[in-house]
Amino acid sequence: AQSVTQPDIHITVSEGASLELRCNYSYGATPYLFWYVQSPGQGLQLLLKYFSGDTLVQGIKGFEAEFKRSQSSFNLRKPSVHWSDAAEYFCAVGGNRDDKIIFGKGTRLHILP
Amino acid sequence: DTAVSQTPKYLVTQMGNDKSIKCEQNLGHDTMYWYKQDSKKFLKIMFSYNNKELIINETVPNRFSPKSPDKAHLNLHINSLELGDSAVYFCASSPLTGTGANVLTFGAGSRLTVL
Repeated sequence: AQSVTQPDIHITVSEGASLELRCNYSYGATPYLFWYVQSPGQGLQLLLKYFSGDTLVQGIKGFEAEFKRSQSSFNLRKPSVHWSDAAEYFCAVGGNRDDKIIFGKGTRLHILP
Repeated sequence: DTAVSQTPKYLVTQMGNDKSIKCEQNLGHDTMYWYKQDSKKFLKIMFSYNNKELIINETVPNRFSPKSPDKAHLNLHINSLELGDSAVYFCASSPLTGTGANVLTFGAGSRLTVL
């Protein structure tokens, strides 16, 4: 069965600092991987996705993520965070056989001024 | 024009009541979902419909009954509400079927509070 682990429940960084949010997945075949962001009181919005090809994927709002098959990881990065990046971030994994997409428990990002 | 719209946004009700949440998407997508987000922000899939046909039904109490009158609408009816049903319910849609290579478009959520 597929699963996603986000080991950090909360992360706090200073505005302008770099960011890395961790995600590890478990899936028996090639996974489809996603990062979504949820601002307070809002639904989730797709930041980026990995299906195949280049393992470094670029997304919206200056985010990128790197797929590392050997580590079963798909970590999200941003070189310089802005106060508006404060939100909940969810990593998700899907398989190639059905529509089920499983989400991690999320990481809440706090930004210090 | 909102792509995935849910109503109501907030719902406060007593234990034992029956309530419904409605969802509509104007994206032309074939697949629609209901997800439940608990107080710890954990997001769990409940149901998935493809063109009015139920394709994913997770271990959800049978008090929850989804209904899809057409591929643009997916409603969620909950009978005999319990305290543990308090959560935010998200509707989502996606263009593909039968694959996890699906980009989900979410609604803004419906916060259900059971007293």
